[in-house]
Amino acid sequence: AQSVTQLGSHVSVSEGALVLLRCNYSSSVPPYLFWYVQYPNQGLQLLLKYTSAATLVKGINGFEAEFKKSETSFHLTKPSAHMSDAAEYFCAVSGSFGNEKLTFGTGTRLTIIP
Amino acid sequence: DAGVIQSPRHEVTEMGQEVTLRCKPISGHDYLFWYRQTMMRGLELLIYFNNNVPIDDSGMPEDRFSAKMPNASFSTLKIQPSEPRDSAVYFCASRYRGEKLFFGSGTQLSVL
Repeated sequence: AQSVTQLGSHVSVSEGALVLLRCNYSSSVPPYLFWYVQYPNQGLQLLLKYTSAATLVKGINGFEAEFKKSETSFHLTKPSAHMSDAAEYFCAVSGSFGNEKLTFGTGTRLTIIP
Repeated sequence: DAGVIQSPRHEVTEMGQEVTLRCKPISGHDYLFWYRQTMMRGLELLIYFNNNVPIDDSGMPEDRFSAKMPNASFSTLKIQPSEPRDSAVYFCASRYRGEKLFFGSGTQLSVL
């Protein structure tokens, strides 16, 4: 079974500051890990995914995440926040056997302070 | 492709009524998922299908909920009878094999 824990349901950062959203995973098999973003009144969109290749994964909109097995973490970062980054972010995990279901965390709402 | 299409976008109904949510996955996708999103519980997987066959329905809350996928281009999620605690946003998502999951825009359900 797999699960993810997102630390902090709300995060606020100033425009131009570093964005750090935390995610820790638990998995009994090698995991695939994902970050999704949800803008108001929309469905989720994939930001990036880790599938056991490079541990540092680059996604869209300048986001990246690093898989750290020793810490069971997959934190999402962006060097400089933009107002358009305000949204809800979900970490998710699945098994690495290709066709398994995705289990989501509870989400972190990111607010950008002008 | 138009993406995953869900209808209706908003549904308001009274307790005890039957509610049917609809989903058209992306053409060619062989997996379809139904999720429910609430403030309290976040995003929960209700059920998913592979090639129109239900694979895991362990997330379906109770017998009031049922889901069908009669063909590769259509799925329904039915709640009968509906209750106020069923109020949530229901998302349908589809993907091809182990690739990227695409979400619909969701159905906002309010049960009064």
